[in-house]
Amino acid sequence: GAVVSQHPSWVICKSGTSVKIECRSLDFQATTMFWYRQFPKQSLMLMATSNEGSKATYEQGVEKDKFLINHASLTLSTLTVTSAHPEDSSFYICSASVPQGGQPQHFGDGTRLSIL
Amino acid sequence: GQNIDQPTEMTATEGAIVQINCTYQTSGFNGLFWYQQHAGEAPTFLSYNVLDGLEEKGRFSSFLSRSKGYSYLLLKELQMKDSASYLCAVQDSNYQLIWGAGTKLIIKP
Repeated sequence: GAVVSQHPSWVICKSGTSVKIECRSLDFQATTMFWYRQFPKQSLMLMATSNEGSKATYEQGVEKDKFLINHASLTLSTLTVTSAHPEDSSFYICSASVPQGGQPQHFGDGTRLSIL
Repeated sequence: GQNIDQPTEMTATEGAIVQINCTYQTSGFNGLFWYQQHAGEAPTFLSYNVLDGLEEKGRFSSFLSRSKGYSYLLLKELQMKDSASYLCAVQDSNYQLIWGAGTKLIIKP
């Protein structure tokens, strides 16, 4: 149980393109989803917390207009990187959980984004 | 402020035992998690501690002392596939996870 699916797993695109990443909880209802970014050999960096039916909460320093998050249902959240540039190249990982004590975050497989 | 400390890197020998420590200072505490992350992959859940004591799960055990703000992950009978980063994360009063920077574990034959 507790499977999170993330698509696509790998994206290579030109600078200026917008890229959408989907995160789905397959066998449970995720009231909260999290989006992380991870650069090589660095730790996870939380970008935003997404709650179903409400606006996402972004961490300090993360541009809301550049990283659009939509959590329209209990099983789907999307992250859109708008007008991507080479510095946005990174490993993006989503996770989903039920916000209760003791409930682990379950991670998708991640999306490796390369902007040329 | 909130802070989680764990060693950056550790090296151990195949078949041996290794203990990875984690100390934390957070606003509120709703449990501590350990995750394993292989290079280029997403983290996978290993263990959860909310009460003091030792939780054993196969070759992996996790210990918690809330009064000391301290946890460790114990890996026994090390295998080469255990080479990975091990992340300590504390769930704070808002149920948000505060992540440590991770400990890279290198297993040598």
